[in-house]
Parts: sequence; structure tokens; C-alpha cells
Amino acid sequence: AQKVTQAQTEISVVEKEDVTLDCVYETRDTTYYLFWYKQPPSGELVFLIRRNSFDEQNEISGRYSWNFQKSTSSFNFTITASQVVDSAVYFCALSEAQNYGQNFVFGPGTRLSVLP
Amino acid sequence: NAGVTQTPKFQVLKTGQSMTLQCAQDMNHEYMSWYRQDPGMGLRLIHYSVGAGITDQGEVPNGYNVSRSTTEDFPLRLLSAAPSQTSVYFCASAGETQYFGPGTRLLVL
Repeated sequence: AQKVTQAQTEISVVEKEDVTLDCVYETRDTTYYLFWYKQPPSGELVFLIRRNSFDEQNEISGRYSWNFQKSTSSFNFTITASQVVDSAVYFCALSEAQNYGQNFVFGPGTRLSVLP
Repeated sequence: NAGVTQTPKFQVLKTGQSMTLQCAQDMNHEYMSWYRQDPGMGLRLIHYSVGAGITDQGEVPNGYNVSRSTTEDFPLRLLSAAPSQTSVYFCASAGETQYFGPGTRLLVL
């Protein structure tokens, strides 16, 4: 069975600090996809990144970076030089390839508060 | 290209009433899903569809019905609303990536 764990329920940082959000997943499938979504206070779910299980290269997009480590089943998300606008709930999600689109499993989310 | 749209944005129901949450997408995606979001529980899958005419249950299907007569539309029906169905409902459609609608906030009194 699939499972996504985000052990950090809430994190508070001061603006300009770096922050890492942890995501650990479980799956028996060898081919799967991992996602991060952002949910700002306005409530919508914003897609941030999709990574397939065969691509372990780390990715950087501006102040955002993702560290995918198959050996530890982790897909961590780092925000560098955090800003107040980064305050949101962040969800990690997993979808197995054979059921792709049929069952995305989400973690419980991490609420990030960036204080000015 | 509107992506995924949902109506209404907010609804108040009395226990026992029925209603339909509408969802439409214009990305020609085969996969569509309905989730509910409750505090501290992330998103839980209610029902999903892999194409027109095909639907299946997710993790929490009880009290909800769906149908998929077209690729674009995937309505969610609450048959007899209960206070436990107070939640925020998200519709999603998936191609390479799953995109979400803006959500419907439902309050059942």
C-alpha cells in the first residue's frame, strides 16, 4: 500500500532563513511519481513539481529545490531565503505508475509560517 | 483554457438535503477525481474516473455518488447530507500532472 508521511506538522521560520520540508513515502511499485503542492491561505492547490522514480537528479527552481533519495524513500523540499509569501501548507503526494491518475496519496501536509 | 472549474464555491446545507457539486475540465484529461480535505488529514480520495462511463470508489466513498457521461464533466452528488460531510471538496484532473479546481467549501448543519 502507498503511504506518504510528512512528520513536520508546523514549521515557523524568520524571513530569509532556509527551510526544509521532509517527505517520506512507501510504495511497492518500482515506477511511481512524486509531487509537491502548495496551498496558500487562499485555499487553492498549486502544483510545484512532479518527479518520476527513475530520475534521482535534484532539481532547483529559483529559491526552491528538491532532493529525491530513493535509498531513504525521501523527497525533501527546501526553500532558500524564505519569504512571507512562502507561508502556506505544503503537501507531498505519491502516485504509482500502474494506477496513475487513479489514486494520488497525499501526506497530511506541513504548515509553514514565515515571519517578517 | 480555464483548467479545472468547480461550482459552487460555498454551500450551506441542512442535514438530509441533497446537492450536486459540479466539476469541469477543458484539458481533455481522461482521469478525474474528487477529494475532500479535512483539518489535519490532508486530502482523501472520494471517487475517481479513468474515462467517460467509468468510475470507481476511492478511500472515503460512502454518502457520495458520481457519474462521468462526458470527458469534461465529473459531478459529485451528496445523496443525503450529514454534518460529517462538512469539508472542502476538490475536483482534480490528471494528465502528466494532476491539477486541482479551486475547491467547494461545504457546511452541513
